Amino acid sequence: GDSVTQMEGPVTLSEEAFLTINCTYTATGYPSLFWYVQYPGEGLQLLLKATKADDKGSNKGFEATYRKETTSFHLEKGSVQVSDSAVYFCALRVESSASKIIFGSGTRLSIRP
Amino acid sequence: DTGVSQDPRHKITKRGQNVTFRCDPISEHNRLYWYRQTLGQGPEFLTYFQNEAQLEKSRLLSDRFSAERPKGSFSTLEIQRTEQGDSAMYLCASSPSSGVRGNTIYFGEGSWLTVV
Repeated sequence: GDSVTQMEGPVTLSEEAFLTINCTYTATGYPSLFWYVQYPGEGLQLLLKATKADDKGSNKGFEATYRKETTSFHLEKGSVQVSDSAVYFCALRVESSASKIIFGSGTRLSIRP
Repeated sequence: DTGVSQDPRHKITKRGQNVTFRCDPISEHNRLYWYRQTLGQGPEFLTYFQNEAQLEKSRLLSDRFSAERPKGSFSTLEIQRTEQGDSAMYLCASSPSSGVRGNTIYFGEGSWLTVV
């Protein structure tokens, strides 16, 4: 079945450090890929998405490139801030009758001042 | 557009009691989803509606769980005879119907359930 595997956390970095959170997927079809972010006590917010191979999604300094050959969608940011502390979820969606989103288990990111 | 709203945001109930959560999707979104999220895990799909029709249910949705969307607008999720293992955050989400690849699914802020 369709699934997402992402880097286990927690990840702790100092402010202005470079961030990478790895994500790989398995899908029976041709998925769209997403990163969602969840701040403490809040619901899920879409961070960025990519709908086809080699697309790059970007938002708020975060980027991720859809790599079909390696079935990956790694999240990167060049210089993290304390306000980026949150849980990050990689997800996929295969267009079908339900087109539901399937999530990874999440990576908790903590940024030290 | 006020986004997906859920009510109540928090619910504490005694084991064995019934609880009901309500979700109001973004207007004109005809797809509605329910997910469950436990601490330290990603959200898990429970069920999906296209307008008022419930088209898919996960095996996670035991017979104590029932979801409805009677007029194709708001939805309710009822849990009967709650158990401590039901303690989780219940997330509702909505999206437009298919036709545009990569349509975003928008999530509400969730309803936290604690069964004591």
